[in-house]
Amino acid sequence: EAGVAQSPRYKIIEKRQSVAFWCNPISGHATLYWYQQILGQGPKLLIQFQNNGVVDDSQLPKDRFSAERLKGVDSTLKIQPAKLEDSAVYLCASSLSGAANEKLFFGSGTQLSVL
Amino acid sequence: TQLLEQSPQFLSIQEGENLTVYCNSSSVFSSLQWYRQEPGEGPVLLVTVVTGGEVKKLKRLTFQFGDARKDSSLHITAAQTGDTGLYLCAGVTFNDYKLSFGAGTTVTVRA
Repeated sequence: EAGVAQSPRYKIIEKRQSVAFWCNPISGHATLYWYQQILGQGPKLLIQFQNNGVVDDSQLPKDRFSAERLKGVDSTLKIQPAKLEDSAVYLCASSLSGAANEKLFFGSGTQLSVL
Repeated sequence: TQLLEQSPQFLSIQEGENLTVYCNSSSVFSSLQWYRQEPGEGPVLLVTVVTGGEVKKLKRLTFQFGDARKDSSLHITAAQTGDTGLYLCAGVTFNDYKLSFGAGTTVTVRA
């Protein structure tokens, strides 16, 4: 079974530039999550999609972050403009139905460095 | 303030030794999960515990969920170098049914 695919693996940009990350979840998984993991911290949920609708985006900095999941399959997360504090690993995860204690399957993440 | 406090933050032991890491909160959880994250990879689920007082064993790993459903521990017996990684606990509260992660314990097992 193919896992959650993310690209790119690494990205280095200067502050105020824009960047986009891509995620392809496990086939058949209805729920897709984007997490931000700052060094030394646990993952923090940015946004949760159920199919192509947003379930939770309460911690997404909407002035600079946007995400979409067209057709309820793959997803992109964009940051525009980036700030130094956005340096982190951005993890995509998927789950079968989105139940609260359901197993999450994570991708390998995109490590973003903002200079 | 983290909803889930994990301790210790770092742990370095020799291969063959035992270790225990802890996950504590003042909140009550409907369920709690443990993940292991290796460098450059995403977290991988190890176990989910859902019943207060529950003990689950996975080969050399023993997971315990506190009776009051506010804390959990992970014990590794005879640690191996392959156990090296960041151990994250994540819990779902009865308040909002959202999954929240702790900051993790970085475990290094030396050969």
